Order: sequence, then C-alpha cells, then structure tokens
Amino acid sequence: DQQVKQNSPSLSVQEGRISILNCDYTNSMFDYFLWYKKYPAEGPTFLISISSIKDKNEDGRFTVFLNKSAKHLSLHIVPSQPGDSAVYFCAASVGSGYSTLTFGKGTMLLVSP
Amino acid sequence: NAGVTQTPKFRVLKTGQSMTLLCAQDMNHEYMYWYRQDPGMGLRLIHYSVGEGTTAKGEVPDGYNVSRLKKQNFLLGLESAAPSQTSVYFCASSHPAGDSYEQFFGPGTRLTVL
Repeated sequence: DQQVKQNSPSLSVQEGRISILNCDYTNSMFDYFLWYKKYPAEGPTFLISISSIKDKNEDGRFTVFLNKSAKHLSLHIVPSQPGDSAVYFCAASVGSGYSTLTFGKGTMLLVSP
Repeated sequence: NAGVTQTPKFRVLKTGQSMTLLCAQDMNHEYMYWYRQDPGMGLRLIHYSVGEGTTAKGEVPDGYNVSRLKKQNFLLGLESAAPSQTSVYFCASSHPAGDSYEQFFGPGTRLTVL
C-alpha cells in the first residue's frame, strides 16, 4: 500500500506560469515532508521541506503548502522556468531521532519556453 | 568537499554473479541509506545505517547485504544477482540536526543484470 502518492505522472507548464505539484499521504504519523528535484542521470537534490506544525513554507520561487486534515501537500513554483524541468519527488518522514523517508513515485515537470 | 560519491557509475552483471557497490561521504554524517529507483516506482529504501557498525532493513532488503565498517563508507552487496535487481541505485547520507531531515544523495549507479 502506497503511503505517499503523487497521482500525476507528468505536468506541462509554460514558462512564467505557475506549476503546482500535488502529493497525498495516508500515514497520519508522518510529520515532516520534503520535496526533491531530480535531473536525468543525477541524484535527487533537496528542494524544500515543511514540518507538520506549519501549513506553509516559502523559499524564493518555491512554496510548499500542507493541509493536514486532507493529508495533502502541494509544491508551487512561481514563475516556472525551463530549468525547472525535472522529476519532483515528494517524501515524508515520521519524526524520531533518525529519519527514513518514504517517497512518492514522482511527477515529471516540463516547462516550455 | 565531494559530498556523496558512488562507485561504480555503471555495471553489467550476469545472473548469479556478485558485486559490491561502494558509497562514500565526506560530510561526517551519522546516517547512510541505500535506495533503488525503478521506472514508475520512485525511490525505495533497501537498507540503512544509523552509525558505524550498525545496519537495518528497509522496505526492499531481500537479495542485498550491507556493511558499515567505517563511518564514511556504506557498502551494498549483491551475492547472487538476479534480473529483478536491474535498477538505478542511490546512496544517501544525513545528520540529525534540529528539525532537519534532509538526505544528501549520490549520483547513482546504473546496474543491469542479464
């Protein structure tokens, strides 16, 4: 049973517009969420995170929103740029002294000029 | 500061052969992880280690063994490779600090088992 779900395998957006990537989770014990970005032939790189005590976290063009009651989070990229074209993974963790992450299957974002 | 490095980058094995993937990190991180990524499957945790000399099973540990003899290295072994182990393998490391759960990933090893 998938605990972290990214239901959209792909998303196409025009440059300058907003990209919204969605993620749902089923495990109510998750209390920390991360977004990773992955280019082909490279390892994932950390993008932004949010703790369950917050409902929004912003870093430049990237904002993550968390709706705990709906067990849903989203990543907003504004404005989108062609260099943002990559696969985006949502990940979740149960807080503890160490962390193992549960990843979604990823959403491929294509930003066209 | 190289971060997380993985050796080799590519490998082709025949069914039944064995091999070891090496992961090294120079960030003095306590925790290290091995994941595999398959098309349409995201990243799945194979094994992880919370410190030198300790290892634990992740979501998909069968067919793999690991060792963490030195803090900076985490080895992933395949004793008898199977075609189902064809995948891209990623190593990651992290260090507990405040509320940071960020893991740093290596560039990956692409393994094909024929």
